[in-house]
Amino acid sequence: GAGVSQSPSNKVTEKGKDVELRCDPISGHTALYWYRQSLGQGLEFLIYFQGNSAPDKSGLPSDRFSAERTGGSVSTLTIQRTQQEDSAVYLCASSLQVSRTAQETQYFGPGTRLLVL
Amino acid sequence: GEDVEQSLFLSVREGDSSVINCTYTDSSSTYLYWYKQEPGAGLQLLTYIFSNMDMKQDQRLTVLLNKKDKHLSLRIADTQTGDSAIYFCAEKDDYKLSFGAGTTVTVRA
Repeated sequence: GAGVSQSPSNKVTEKGKDVELRCDPISGHTALYWYRQSLGQGLEFLIYFQGNSAPDKSGLPSDRFSAERTGGSVSTLTIQRTQQEDSAVYLCASSLQVSRTAQETQYFGPGTRLLVL
Repeated sequence: GEDVEQSLFLSVREGDSSVINCTYTDSSSTYLYWYKQEPGAGLQLLTYIFSNMDMKQDQRLTVLLNKKDKHLSLRIADTQTGDSAIYFCAEKDDYKLSFGAGTTVTVRA
């Protein structure tokens, strides 16, 4: 696609419910990243994928959070038993590849605004 | 992770220059980025610089880097109302980006 897309754009849920957030990266990008933007924490990194593999899950806030990526393309971030502190904007980004040292521009989607009541 | 710090607010008159400042902590060679976020939108990459450079200019944007002080700035010349947004400084931290808290720039007529 032309850019990174995310759905839904807004999600309101009740505390205790599960939610799934979807990200479609730019076509051909092997790397995909999830970040969370909240008032108290700013922009924080959650997890990244190289292909379908997530080598480092240490950024996920709790075991209620999980993510998967299939076919090297679409990724889903799942939050189980949502809490009010999960309310935030969840941003997805993609880049051509993952590199520890080289410049790889991360292109961001518009985000999913999650509100847990 | 690395600590990236920014001032939170900047108010500037239309037509003047805006200067947004950022400090970072990584002492190794790295890439530093400026992103712009407009209301309700994602992050848009404005420019980036490698830490062995002093300056980079791209149209109305000038990035200055003082590696000794680990200080990065973004100058926007001839600021317009469309430049009102939140500007994030980010540092490449291994495979991910570490962001500052963002500077909210308000352009007044």
